[in-house]
Amino acid sequence: EAAVTQSPRNKVAVTGGKVTLSCNQTNNHNNMYWYRQDTGHGLRLIHYSYGAGSTEKGDIPDGYKASRPSQENFSLILELATPSQTSVYFCASGVDWGVGGQNTLYFGAGTRLSVL
Amino acid sequence: QQKVQQSPESLIVPEGGMASLNCTFSDRNSQYFWWYRQHSGEGPKALMSIFSNGDKKEGRFTAHLNKASLHVSLHIKDSQPSDSALYFCAVRGTNTGKLTFGDGTVLTVKP
Repeated sequence: EAAVTQSPRNKVAVTGGKVTLSCNQTNNHNNMYWYRQDTGHGLRLIHYSYGAGSTEKGDIPDGYKASRPSQENFSLILELATPSQTSVYFCASGVDWGVGGQNTLYFGAGTRLSVL
Repeated sequence: QQKVQQSPESLIVPEGGMASLNCTFSDRNSQYFWWYRQHSGEGPKALMSIFSNGDKKEGRFTAHLNKASLHVSLHIKDSQPSDSALYFCAVRGTNTGKLTFGDGTVLTVKP
């Protein structure tokens, strides 16, 4: 099965600090995604990428940056963390969406972020 | 912007019973639909996909899609305690890699 690894699994940050969440996939998937999960809001898309060097804004990109330096790695960066960014963050990967509908996403185990 | 709504928010069924989960979407250009399941403390995992109108059955799970009525559903037959989880409906349109999720339905199967 596809493997997506997130680090760290838990993170406590201070308001105004910089936070970087990392994601690595070993499946050679072109597409990678960052979602956040909050009670009552399900999974909301922050940023996504179609391949190395590309990033696209999702539905809630404000306050977040993304970086895709290689096929395997996709990072989410909070330059100035705020308490409203306290959440569980999930990274996912999937094959090229152009291949019909066959882009089932494979999720990591999540990073629980608390901003105090 | 695509809106995906799920109902009910939570559902309790007895072991061996039938669970029915519903999902409506707003974009008539939507083409591809998935159900994901998330057990506590884990990431979501794809349960099944459906791309054509009608029913698709995989074991105890049956998905139903009606694009004209903007509706997709999941039915779980002979529910087991291990089916207790958070279930998400996910929708993708054409010409985009963007997948939009609903808010989820919490299913509890009582032994």
